[in-house]
Amino acid sequence: DAGVIQSPRHEVTEMGQEVTLRCKPISGHDYLFWYRQTMMRGLELLIYFNNNVPIDDSGMPEDRFSAKMPNASFSTLKIQPSEPRDSAVYFCASSLSTSETQYFGPGTRLLVL
Amino acid sequence: GESVGLHLPTLSVQEGDNSIINCAYSNSASDYFIWYKQESGKGPQFIIDIRSNMDKRQGQRVTVLLNKTVKHLSLQIAATQPGDSAVYFCAGKQGAQKLVFGQGTRLTINP
Repeated sequence: DAGVIQSPRHEVTEMGQEVTLRCKPISGHDYLFWYRQTMMRGLELLIYFNNNVPIDDSGMPEDRFSAKMPNASFSTLKIQPSEPRDSAVYFCASSLSTSETQYFGPGTRLLVL
Repeated sequence: GESVGLHLPTLSVQEGDNSIINCAYSNSASDYFIWYKQESGKGPQFIIDIRSNMDKRQGQRVTVLLNKTVKHLSLQIAATQPGDSAVYFCAGKQGAQKLVFGQGTRLTINP
């Protein structure tokens, strides 16, 4: 079975540009999570969805960040405009409602110059 | 809210020895804990989990111990191998599906 799929794997952009990160959860999973990982702050939950509906976005750092889940098999995390401090690894994870175990994708390594 | 922390940021062990990675949590209401392994350049990978109604759970070469009295969690890896080198994270459940992660311990296996 395919795990969580994320794209792109690496993204280098300039400050002020829009960045869109993509995620395909494991088929059948009804929870989807977006995390950010940095050396300073570790692994932080940004937002999570249940059945395509955002449940908790309290971790989204600023209005520059937005996330959508138009259907059960696709989600995006957008940063507009991007800033150098947004440089991090962004992970998507998914889980079943019957289990707390989250399965992570390989991550997108973002560098904003 | 929940906070989860690790006692040591790094741990070095000899190949073949047993490793113990420790974790403390603050929310006594947490009823579920999980350990992840993260290798360089990869996403966290599920290792083992435990519910608060248990004190111990064993997997293949791994054991998780939960001491609710002192709010302490540990991961034991038996006969460590070079492939065990990674960063290990503990996480506790907060709310319905949220996990709060600790900072991680980097495990290094010496030949």
